[in-house]
Amino acid sequence: GDSVTQMEGPVTLSEEAFLTINCTYTATGYPSLFWYVQYPGEGLQLLLKATKADDKGSNKGFEATYRKETTSFHLEKGSVQVSDSAVYFCALRGSSNTGKLIFGQGTTLQVKP
Amino acid sequence: KAGVTQTPRYLIKTRGQQVTLSCSPISGHRSVSWYQQTPGQGLQFLFEYFSETQRNKGNFPGRFSGRQFSNSRSEMNVSTLELGDSALYLCASSLWGLSYEQYFGPGTRLTVT
Repeated sequence: GDSVTQMEGPVTLSEEAFLTINCTYTATGYPSLFWYVQYPGEGLQLLLKATKADDKGSNKGFEATYRKETTSFHLEKGSVQVSDSAVYFCALRGSSNTGKLIFGQGTTLQVKP
Repeated sequence: KAGVTQTPRYLIKTRGQQVTLSCSPISGHRSVSWYQQTPGQGLQFLFEYFSETQRNKGNFPGRFSGRQFSNSRSEMNVSTLELGDSALYLCASSLWGLSYEQYFGPGTRLTVT
């Protein structure tokens, strides 16, 4: 079945460092790919999405490119801030007619001043 | 526009009891999905509703059930609670269709003692 694998955390960075969180997926057909962020005590917020190969999703300085050849959707940010500290989830929605999201295990990011 | 609301936010129940959680979607959204989040299993899909019909169901026992009302509000019910049902239950709403992203509520934290 469809699945998502994320790099294990926690990831600890200094402010203004470059961030990469790896995400790879297994799916049949052409899934849509998402990154969600969860701050402590809150639900999930959609960070960015890509719906077809080579699409680049971007938001708030974060970017991810849908790479079908490597089945990857890695999250990047050029300069992280303390306020980016959160848990990040990579997710896919299969190409069948359903809203069901399949999530990776989540990666905790801690940014130190 | 108001976001997805979930009630109650926190709940403590005893093993063997049943519980009902409520979700009010964003105005105009007719699709509601439910997810269970635990430290061990991560985020797992429970079910998806559209137009009062269950469209998709995850791999959970029959103790977990749900429904959707004509105003798109949704409830989920867990009967005969077990300790392992302790989790954050997240509701997400969206417009119907593959191109529409899901918006999550803050969740209901259920603790079973």
